[in-house]
Amino acid sequence: DAGVTQSPTHLIKTRGQHVTLRCSPISGHKSVSWYQQVLGQGPQFIFQYYEKEERGRGNFPDRFSARQFPNYSSELNVNALLLGDSALYLCASSDLRAGETQYFGPGTRLLVL
Amino acid sequence: QQQVKQSPQSLIVQKGGISIINCAYENTAFDYFPWYQQFPGKGPALLIAIRPDVSEKKEGRFTISFNKSAKQFSLHIMDSQPGDSATYFCAANSGGGADGLTFGKGTHLIIQP
Repeated sequence: DAGVTQSPTHLIKTRGQHVTLRCSPISGHKSVSWYQQVLGQGPQFIFQYYEKEERGRGNFPDRFSARQFPNYSSELNVNALLLGDSALYLCASSDLRAGETQYFGPGTRLLVL
Repeated sequence: QQQVKQSPQSLIVQKGGISIINCAYENTAFDYFPWYQQFPGKGPALLIAIRPDVSEKKEGRFTISFNKSAKQFSLHIMDSQPGDSATYFCAANSGGGADGLTFGKGTHLIIQP
């Protein structure tokens, strides 16, 4: 079975622009979570979605938004990009019926210039 | 506010030795404690996880020791190999994970041949 897939793998944007990152969970998983990992730090929780509803939100500004589609794939949107948004953005999927184990994708590396 | 404190920040171990990484948490509501391994340019991969109703869990060369009263848990890697060289993260969450995983800052482990 395919694992969590994310696209694109790398992205370069300039300050003030908008970006959309995409994630497809493991087949059968209905929950997707997004994390931001700044270089040299542990991942920080941004959002969790389950059955297309937001289930949890971390301490990130309103410039960050997300949604989950009927096929359980998800998008993370970031508006008005700042230099500090440069990071690895990770998507994790889980089958909440089987516990809260989260399986991470390879991430999208975002560089804001 | 860092809710999961991880140490050491970096660790060098000889091949065949035991690698030990420690974590301490503050939130007594945490009830799930996974460890992740991350290689450069990759997403975190789940190694092993524990719940506070057991004091130790072993999977192959990896063992988690858990001390609920001290609010501490640790990862032991037995017979450490050069292929174990990576960054290791402890994490925690509570209540089914709607608030996402809270990660430590990571330990950069180098196994010398």
